[in-house]
Amino acid sequence: DVKVTQSSRYLVKRTGEKVFLECVQDMDHENMFWYRQDPGLGLRLIYFSYDVKMKEKGDIPEGYSVSREKKERFSLILESASTNQTSMYLCASSSSGTDHHEQYFGPGTRLTVT
Amino acid sequence: AQSVTQPDIHITVSEGASLELRCNYSYGATPYLFWYVQSPGQGLQLLLKYFSGDTLVQGIKGFEAEFKRSQSSFNLRKPSVHWSDAAEYFCAVGLSYNTDKLIFGTGTRLQVFP
Repeated sequence: DVKVTQSSRYLVKRTGEKVFLECVQDMDHENMFWYRQDPGLGLRLIYFSYDVKMKEKGDIPEGYSVSREKKERFSLILESASTNQTSMYLCASSSSGTDHHEQYFGPGTRLTVT
Repeated sequence: AQSVTQPDIHITVSEGASLELRCNYSYGATPYLFWYVQSPGQGLQLLLKYFSGDTLVQGIKGFEAEFKRSQSSFNLRKPSVHWSDAAEYFCAVGLSYNTDKLIFGTGTRLQVFP
């Protein structure tokens, strides 16, 4: 089974702090994604990466950056957290093979910025 | 622009009743189609997918979905709902072979009464 893990289930940070959200997948997938989920808005793509050190902006990249130094790990960075970044953050991965659209999700990190 | 619409924000059914969740997409070609389920506090789990071929696809947990090209729809159905089906359901589309990104609908929350 594909396993996608996220470093924290719940996180509380203060405004202005630098926040790191970590995601690790164990299936050697090329693609990794970061989404944020808000009520009534569904999942919105923040960034995705299709290879080590490669990244592409999603629909809402402002205020976020990412890092992918190893194939299995994809980090989301909030350089200076703000209250409007309070949300559920979901990481996903997929292969570039035949089923390349099928994404596997981690359990999510609920981030609260106070 | 491509989009996915789930017109029902919240649906309530009685246990044992049938269920249909609606999904419509806007895209010029046939997309790759997915339904995901999210139990409270969890990540997303794939229920079923359509890439090509038979337009009626079977998934896990007794769910099925039918792709109707003429209606640009991919509705999810279950003949008899169980209390454990209470969750949020997301429809998603992958737009073409050359991109691995998915576009998600805003979700439908299903409540099941005993």
